[in-house]
Amino acid sequence: GESVGLHLPTLSVQEGDNSIINCAYSNSASDYFIWYKQESGKGPQFIIDIRSNMDKRQGQRVTVLLNKTVKHLSLQIAATQPGDSAVYFCAVPTRTDKLIFGTGTRLQVFP
Amino acid sequence: EAQVTQNPRYLITVTGKKLTVTCSQNMNHEYMSWYRQDPGLGLRQIYYSMNVEVTDKGDVPEGYKVSRKEKRNFPLILESPSPNQTSLYFCASSHHRDDTQYFGPGTRLTVL
Repeated sequence: GESVGLHLPTLSVQEGDNSIINCAYSNSASDYFIWYKQESGKGPQFIIDIRSNMDKRQGQRVTVLLNKTVKHLSLQIAATQPGDSAVYFCAVPTRTDKLIFGTGTRLQVFP
Repeated sequence: EAQVTQNPRYLITVTGKKLTVTCSQNMNHEYMSWYRQDPGLGLRQIYYSMNVEVTDKGDVPEGYKVSRKEKRNFPLILESPSPNQTSLYFCASSHHRDDTQYFGPGTRLTVL
């Protein structure tokens, strides 16, 4: 079946540095990709999305890059702040209207 | 305020005692979904609904039921809970499948 995987379960960065969180997906026909942020004790919150007709999309301090050739997407966070500490998930809808999430990367920001 | 609400937020029950977790959204969303979240496994979709009276199985539907009689409500039913259903459950909604999903605050269920 279709799958979504995140490369690192934990990522530790220093405050002010840039963070890069990676995600791989299995279905080359996937056309929509979403990143969510989950803070401790809360439900996931939408960060940014990208459609397959784009390679890059930028938000406020966040950028998502999509490489369809290798079926990989990444979330880049510029000037990482303590408030960015959370678990980050990528999610990909399937052909059958399900939504598959990756296992998550925990981002830890230290001073 | 636009939101997804779940009740109860915390529940401890015993094996075999039927329970229902309610989910309600006030955004007139068509797509609603239930997930469970377990350590190391991320979020896994249990059931989803594209619209009223339309429901489909997600990746882990065994032991669960849902109904979608009204657009705003999407209850999750455990007819005979078992300890392996101890988990953190999230309800979510969006206009359509490919739109931003709004998640509820979560329901932590413990089945003894």
